Amino acid sequence: AQSVTQLGSHVSVSEGALVLLRCNYSSSVPPYLFWYVQYPNQGLQLLLKYTTGATLVKGINGFEAEFKKSETSFHLTKPSAHMSDAAEYFCAAHNTDKLIFGTGTRLQVFP
Amino acid sequence: DGGITQSPKYLFRKEGQNVTLSCEQNLNHDAMYWYRQDPGQGLRLIYYSQIVNDFQKGDIAEGYSVSREKKESFPLTVTSAQKNPTAFYLCASSATGTEGTQYFGPGTRLLVL
Repeated sequence: AQSVTQLGSHVSVSEGALVLLRCNYSSSVPPYLFWYVQYPNQGLQLLLKYTTGATLVKGINGFEAEFKKSETSFHLTKPSAHMSDAAEYFCAAHNTDKLIFGTGTRLQVFP
Repeated sequence: DGGITQSPKYLFRKEGQNVTLSCEQNLNHDAMYWYRQDPGQGLRLIYYSQIVNDFQKGDIAEGYSVSREKKESFPLTVTSAQKNPTAFYLCASSATGTEGTQYFGPGTRLLVL
């Protein structure tokens, strides 16, 4: 069965530092891949998605992710963290007719 | 504005009581989904529906029921058989031909009295 693994349930960075959130998927066929962000007590908001074509995908709020087939990875990055980036981030893979979600990474940003 | 609405924002359930969570979308999406979210466990799929009058069980369907009588509505009933219903419930929808991209409502938090 397909699965999505997010390494690190909590990540802490200083404001202005690089943000790196890791996501690996298990599938013999590269799936469509997504990153979502969730602020406290809210629903999930789509950050970006990879379907086909360019492997570096740009999303909202300055985030981007790179699809690496050889590493079965889809890590999320942002060059410079803002306090407003503090939230929970979910990686997901499309499987037939539904999304398979990772368990999430909570990002803390310190001043 | 197009979007997904969930009501109520907070819901309280007494022992032995069934409660129904509402999910409505005006995006003209064919598919709708219900997820349960518990701390540290991510999102777990309860039920989903790809077309009116049809739905499928997800990974944790026991103790829940759904209906899909209209395209825009997908209510979830938490029955008394669900022994641990306290959680955050999220509804989502997706359109055909969007590679499975799902859009989420704001969620309903269910608490047991």
